[in-house]
Amino acid sequence: QQQVKQSPQSLIVQKGGISIINCAYENTAFDYFPWYQQFPGKGPALLIAIRPDVSEKKEGRFTISFNKSAKQFSLHIMDSQPGDSATYFCAASRIQGAQKLVFGQGTRLTINP
Amino acid sequence: GAVVSQHPSWVICKSGTSVKIECRSLDFQATTMFWYRQFPKQSLMLMATSNEGSKATYEQGVEKDKFLINHASLTLSTLTVTSAHPEDSSFYICSAAGLAGRPYNEQFFGPGTRLTVL
Repeated sequence: QQQVKQSPQSLIVQKGGISIINCAYENTAFDYFPWYQQFPGKGPALLIAIRPDVSEKKEGRFTISFNKSAKQFSLHIMDSQPGDSATYFCAASRIQGAQKLVFGQGTRLTINP
Repeated sequence: GAVVSQHPSWVICKSGTSVKIECRSLDFQATTMFWYRQFPKQSLMLMATSNEGSKATYEQGVEKDKFLINHASLTLSTLTVTSAHPEDSSFYICSAAGLAGRPYNEQFFGPGTRLTVL
């Protein structure tokens, strides 16, 4: 029940296209859903996060869509650029309590020029 | 704001030696720090959670006597890998939470430390 399932494992998108990565969770107690971007040899960097009281959050070219009833959330990267090529991790956590993040398995995104 | 540093960024050591990795929150006081381990092309695996002045809480399967965590202040946590062996070679990443004005559990990650045990 603590798992977060992420798909696809890898994704290739043409420059200018839309990249979509999906995650599903089981624990309905989760109330914080961040997305992290990680470049090779670096630590993850927070991209954008959402709480379940909204269905969508947008920051620049990055949008999180959240479906509480389906227990799914996704990251959309609009106008994908080669510099977006990285590994993306979704995660879930509870605002209260131990604050632990449960990470998805990661998606390796490649944007072809 | 919310900068987390780690030192060293990489370390090579001989089997049987101990290695200490430092994690510092540079511009905020972190109520909680976390230590992760990441193998190539895999996700982050939480090793332990630590609060300043308290004993760390280790995840199931993580040997607390092998991975010693000290959280001496609100800006510094250390991970010591004792009697390191080649199977301990990995990418170790810390994170810090508790930035004022942000969600309580929003974690900011350090750049990671690459440990290679020969």
